[in-house]
Amino acid sequence: DVKVTQSSRYLVKRTGEKVFLECVQDMDHENMFWYRQDPGLGLRLIYFSYDVKMKEKGDIPEGYSVSREKKERFSLILESTSTNQTSMYLCASSFTGGHQPQHFGDGTRLSIL
Amino acid sequence: ELKVEQNPLFLSMQEGKNYTIYCNYSTTSDRLYWYRQDPGKSLESLFVLLSNGAVKQEGRLMASLDTKARLSTLHITAAVHDLSATYFCAVPAMRFGAGTRLTVKP
Repeated sequence: DVKVTQSSRYLVKRTGEKVFLECVQDMDHENMFWYRQDPGLGLRLIYFSYDVKMKEKGDIPEGYSVSREKKERFSLILESTSTNQTSMYLCASSFTGGHQPQHFGDGTRLSIL
Repeated sequence: ELKVEQNPLFLSMQEGKNYTIYCNYSTTSDRLYWYRQDPGKSLESLFVLLSNGAVKQEGRLMASLDTKARLSTLHITAAVHDLSATYFCAVPAMRFGAGTRLTVKP
């Protein structure tokens, strides 16, 4: 059974902390994505990666960075959290020919206090 | 700026009724995707529409694509409670609508 695994389902952090959200996929997919999901706004693309060490900004990259050192792992980094980064974060992956996400992780609900 | 607009955003239906969810997008695209999200769960892929005029059906759900009108529809036939979920449409590259929260009541 194919899987996209996010390291945490729930996280609570304080403003100014550095946060790492980890995502691992076992399907040998080239493309990986990070979204945030907020009520009434749908999913907004933060960053995506189409290969190891490659990354592209999405629509809302401010306040975030990413790392992809291995094909199966894509990390989202919040350098100094703020309350407006409280959200549900979703990781997804797809193979090279399918630029739209095919498989999603269960999400990480991040609360910044 | 690429926009993907769904309507309605909220839909409450009675079991047995029919309804249509609309997805308009602002860019030229020959493909469109529909996803379903159950409460507390992640998204799962429902349909991939790959060309103008494409129609896909699964159970009580039927999706269609009109690339000239930049419009896709998700039609629900004789709704049942199990269809209660949030439905998203999306276009390349990786842009989603706001979602339609569907509630089917007995």
